[in-house]
Amino acid sequence: NAGVTQTPKFRVLKTGQSMTLLCAQDMNHEYMYWYRQDPGMGLRLIHYSVGEGTTAKGEVPDGYNVSRLKKQNFLLGLESAAPSQTSVYFCASSYSSTAEAFFGQGTRLTVV
Amino acid sequence: DQQVKQNSPSLSVQEGRISILNCDYTNSMFDYFLWYKKYPAEGPTFLISISSIKDKNEDGRFTVFLNKSAKHLSLHIVPSQPGDSAVYFCAARGTSGYALNFGKGTSLLVTP
Repeated sequence: NAGVTQTPKFRVLKTGQSMTLLCAQDMNHEYMYWYRQDPGMGLRLIHYSVGEGTTAKGEVPDGYNVSRLKKQNFLLGLESAAPSQTSVYFCASSYSSTAEAFFGQGTRLTVV
Repeated sequence: DQQVKQNSPSLSVQEGRISILNCDYTNSMFDYFLWYKKYPAEGPTFLISISSIKDKNEDGRFTVFLNKSAKHLSLHIVPSQPGDSAVYFCAARGTSGYALNFGKGTSLLVTP
């Protein structure tokens, strides 16, 4: 039972490069989320989706874009990476807005 | 402004004793609270939750207490075990919210 799977696990980017982080869930969850975790900052919401084809901004959306073309996948894109986007990124999904969220194992991104 | 606050960055407890992790929140619209546990290099995993209509929820060694008037919740772990050593995140969701608001986390160390 895979749950929430994030690809890749690690990545190093140069400033200005672009990349896409993939999140896949096999639990048929409607809600999906992207968080970033920085030292001393806890987890902060970047973007979220309440269903296929829908996305919305979270607390720290600048510099990121997302897409939810299929219910099971939620993509996070960085168009022009900046050192401030060095972080650990977590994807999560939940069955409903009142259910607990299940997290992926994280993607450690370094922008140099 | 941080709406969920965990004011103790770290806590050290002896094996077999009680661990008490605290969390305060500022948004009176929060009605669902969760605790997550996170080991290094892994994603957060759901531990226990409580709805605002309750003041206590118990699951094995873990109990969460909610004091709505004080906007305070706490997680009790009894007895503490070395395997409980991890970072614990408090999270909250509002009645009209879709995503979780996280605290900065408390690092618990249980020593033999």
